[in-house]
Amino acid sequence: DVKVTQSSRYLVKRTGEKVFLECVQDMDHENMFWYRQDPGLGLRLIYFSYDVKMKEKGDIPEGYSVSREKKERFSLILESASTNQTSMYLCASSSQRSGEKLFFGSGTQLSVL
Amino acid sequence: GDSVTQMEGPVTLSEEAFLTINCTYTATGYPSLFWYVQYPGEGLQLLLKATKADDKGSNKGFEATYRKETTSFHLEKGSVQVSDSAVYFCALRDAGGTSYGKLTFGQGTILTVHP
Repeated sequence: DVKVTQSSRYLVKRTGEKVFLECVQDMDHENMFWYRQDPGLGLRLIYFSYDVKMKEKGDIPEGYSVSREKKERFSLILESASTNQTSMYLCASSSQRSGEKLFFGSGTQLSVL
Repeated sequence: GDSVTQMEGPVTLSEEAFLTINCTYTATGYPSLFWYVQYPGEGLQLLLKATKADDKGSNKGFEATYRKETTSFHLEKGSVQVSDSAVYFCALRDAGGTSYGKLTFGQGTILTVHP
């Protein structure tokens, strides 16, 4: 079975902490994405990457950065966590050959206190 | 920019009822359209898709038809089951060649089906 694995299901951090969210896919996909999911707002794209070491800003990149050192791993970094970054974070991947189908991880619920 | 608007939820139905979840979009050109479903505690998964006008996507008894004239992609199912309880997201992919598969999602509609 194809898999997108997010390292933590629940995470609690303090304001100002540096936070790393990790995502690994085992499908050899070129594209990887980070979305945040908030009630009433749906999914909003934070960053995406179409190749190793490549990254593109999505719709809401402020306060976030990403790293893609290896093809299978895409990390989301909150340099200094704030309470308005409390959210569900979803990682996804897709193949460039059939880029329309996204495979999602089960999400990380981050609470910033 | 591109946008997707879904009907307000939550939607509560009895088993075997007819389901419609409305979805309209704004985009330039001819986007591809999708419905994703998120079951409790899981990530999203693709339910169905349509890539051009008048196409009908279908899967697991769900259907949606790409209507360019009304810029809509409404999700329907003739007889829902308790196991259909989930959050449903409408999404589009820009027709441009360098979108790298990134999707624009609607706000999601919570569906609860009672026995």
